This record gives sequence, C-alpha cells and structure tokens, in this order.
Amino acid sequence: SQQGEEDPQALSIQEGENATMNCSYKTSINNLQWYRQNSGRGLVHLILIRSNEREKHSGRLRVTLDTSKKSSSLLITASRAADTASYFCATDATLSGSRLTFGEGTQLTVNP
Amino acid sequence: DVKVTQSSRYLVKRTGEKVFLECVQDMDHENMFWYRQDPGLGLRLIYFSYDVKMKEKGDIPEGYSVSREKKERFSLILESASTNQTSMYLCASSFGFRDSSYEQYFGPGTRLTVT
Repeated sequence: SQQGEEDPQALSIQEGENATMNCSYKTSINNLQWYRQNSGRGLVHLILIRSNEREKHSGRLRVTLDTSKKSSSLLITASRAADTASYFCATDATLSGSRLTFGEGTQLTVNP
Repeated sequence: DVKVTQSSRYLVKRTGEKVFLECVQDMDHENMFWYRQDPGLGLRLIYFSYDVKMKEKGDIPEGYSVSREKKERFSLILESASTNQTSMYLCASSFGFRDSSYEQYFGPGTRLTVT
C-alpha cells in the first residue's frame, strides 16, 4: 500500500506566491523527508523532520509534521520560476530501517 | 559534495539481453539503493544494500538482481530484459544504520528503453 501520498498532484502558481504541498502516510514513522526533482533528473534532498519534531525551517522552506494525523506539509514561500519541479515526500516506517517509501509527488509549476 | 554517478544517462537494449546498470558513490556511504520511477507510480524500491556483499529485496525485486563487491559500487542487473522494464532507474546512497533512515543522495538516473 502507498505509504506517502502527496496532495495536490499538480499545483500552478504565480511567482511570488506561496506553495503548499501535503503528504499523508499510513504507519508510524521514524522521520519524514522531502525531496525535489527537476524534470528528467535525480532527486535532491530538501529537508528531514524527525517524528518528535513538529516544525522545521530551511531558507524559504517550512515543513510541519503532525504524527497524530499522519500528515506533513511543505510550504515554499515567495516562490520563483526556478522552484518549478516535482516534490516528493518519503517516509521510513518504524522498524523498516533505512528504507524509504516515496509518494507519487506533486508537480509544482511557478509561472513568471 | 557527495557525488553519485550512474554509468549511462540513456540506454537502449533488446528484449532478452542481460543489462548492467552501474552506480558509484564517493562518500563512503554504507547504504545504497536502486529505484525505478514510472509515471503515476512514483519511485519504487527494487533492492538495497547496507554493507558490502549484503543486500535486501525491495518492493519490486522480480526480474532484477544486484551486486555489491565494493563499498562504493552497487550494480543492478536485469537478467533478461523485458519491455516492462523500460523505465527511469535511480541509484541513491546514504549513511546509515539499520534502525533509521538518513538523507539519500541520488544519481542523475538512467533512462532504459527495452525494445
């Protein structure tokens, strides 16, 4: 079964606006990670949030984690055209060790 | 900077051929992973390795095997390529112990087409 599921599947915004993407998962986790993928390329790690953390910031990125609802959100503030990419959440279920399960991703388009 | 390299960006093979995809990392990471990525299905784990000569099956190991003879190199082998193995293949590596996950570093991907 799908562990991480992103919502929405696609998002189109104007430069300067904020973009919010959501991720839901099914089982208890050690941590949750967000990755970015430019078209046809490998994934790049953005941020990792541990199960005992509720919020984390990195530059224009803000990630929240609600373990009671088994959900996370990624907020990109003041978006730029260069933020256009697919964004994936990935979870490691408790006792699964180093394995990550990825969602299907949100395609973000930032229009100049 | 961590670097993960994959032997080919694009590869075209015929049905029934044996295919080798190579991945090399330069950060002395314990863990290495092979994923395939297909539209609408996201990334799916094929195999991973947490140490030299150690491997574990992922979610979709059928039709694949792996080899890790040296810490920096992890090879994915398609024993007899089939058209349903046409996909983007992504290699990744990370530090790690078996009790938790860490940031994974990805290679640029190999787009394999089997005709």
